[in-house]
Amino acid sequence: EMQLVESGGGLVQPGRSLKLSCAASGFTFDDYAMHWVRQVPGKGLEWVSGISWNSGSIGYADSVKGRFTISRDNAKNSLYLQMNSLRAEDTALYYCAKDMYRSGWRWFDPWGQGTLVTVSS
Amino acid sequence: EIVLTQSPGTLSLSPGERATLSCRASQSVSSSNLAWYQQKPGQAPRLLISGAYSRATGIPDRFSGSGSGTDFTLTISRLEPEDFAVYYCQQYGSSPLTFGGGTKVEI
Repeated sequence: EMQLVESGGGLVQPGRSLKLSCAASGFTFDDYAMHWVRQVPGKGLEWVSGISWNSGSIGYADSVKGRFTISRDNAKNSLYLQMNSLRAEDTALYYCAKDMYRSGWRWFDPWGQGTLVTVSS
Repeated sequence: EIVLTQSPGTLSLSPGERATLSCRASQSVSSSNLAWYQQKPGQAPRLLISGAYSRATGIPDRFSGSGSGTDFTLTISRLEPEDFAVYYCQQYGSSPLTFGGGTKVEI
């Protein structure tokens, strides 16, 4: 069974940094692109960032470009999101999600259960 | 950026009824690159449909997708109690990937 488990969320002050991790299992991790998608509790979904199987292609939403960095370690079956200069509007549940192909962004299946990031003083 | 507008915001129906959910794009979605997800309270979204009409593995055939260009529809032929949830469309025809605001199907 494919599984994605996020970690690293928590309460952080505005302007500080946080690094999220996603541990993948049940599939060949380096065969797929991966993504981060966020959701403000009670609100809709927003794609944050995606990374191809070999890290050769990376994309970001304009709202996080220049502040967030996505990366992956295929040897560890892990996906990461380094979040710097955090703002109150970054407060959300952050999901890790698997793409259907190695590169080129498609649809997401499956999703992890999410890790909550709260940016507040 | 392609903006997806879902309507209605809330759909109030009873079990056994038919649900028709709309997703309209601000510009044409290339090659019908549109997916639908279901999200229940406290759970992550679950893929229902990709490529506008292809059901994901394990999704019952009461769920069907249709449409092309700028207008897409998710139809649930006969609502089961477990179908009451929020449904999102997502386009992957161009970057950035974008989602609609969601339609809540409630009893």
